[in-house]
Amino acid sequence: EAGVAQSPRYKIIEKRQSVAFWCNPISGHATLYWYQQILGQGPKLLIQFQNNGVVDDSQLPKDRFSAERLKGVDSTLKIQPAKLEDSAVYLCASSHPGQSYEQYFGPGTRLTVT
Amino acid sequence: RKEVEQDPGPFNVPEGATVAFNCTYSNSASQSFFWYRQDCRKEPKLLMSVYSSGNEDGRFTAQLNRASQYISLLIRDSKLSDSATYLCVLSGDSSYKLIFGSGTRLLVRP
Repeated sequence: EAGVAQSPRYKIIEKRQSVAFWCNPISGHATLYWYQQILGQGPKLLIQFQNNGVVDDSQLPKDRFSAERLKGVDSTLKIQPAKLEDSAVYLCASSHPGQSYEQYFGPGTRLTVT
Repeated sequence: RKEVEQDPGPFNVPEGATVAFNCTYSNSASQSFFWYRQDCRKEPKLLMSVYSSGNEDGRFTAQLNRASQYISLLIRDSKLSDSATYLCVLSGDSSYKLIFGSGTRLLVRP
């Protein structure tokens, strides 16, 4: 079974630039999550999708972050404009509905904002 | 107060040692508890769930104390491959939402 795919794996941008990350979940997983993991901290949920609908985006900084999952499969997360404090690993995860405790994570995108 | 608190470590132990990590949580309404493992520069992976009665999976034993609001993970006969960060995870107010601790780093030396 193929795992969660993410791209790019690494990205370096200057502050005030924009960046986009892509995620393809495990086939059949209707629930998709985006997390931000700052060095030395645990993952923090940014947004959760159930199919193509948003379930929770309470911790998403909506003035600069946006995410979509138009066809209920792939998802993109965008940051515009980036700030220095956005430097982190952005992890995408997916799970079966009703099994949110077992989330399968992708390898992440390591973002450095200079 | 943080929702989930863990000793960051690192715990530096020799192979074969027994090591235990604790984790405390603040939300008494949390229903479900887990340990995830994260290798250096890798993604987190579910290690085991934590049940009130305690549960064991090979060399790993997890326990939950709801009255004191803490969770523990015991690793017996440590292997070099156990070196990783162990994340304490619990469900938030909504059962689907997972809250991750900052992790405890374990280093097992030869």
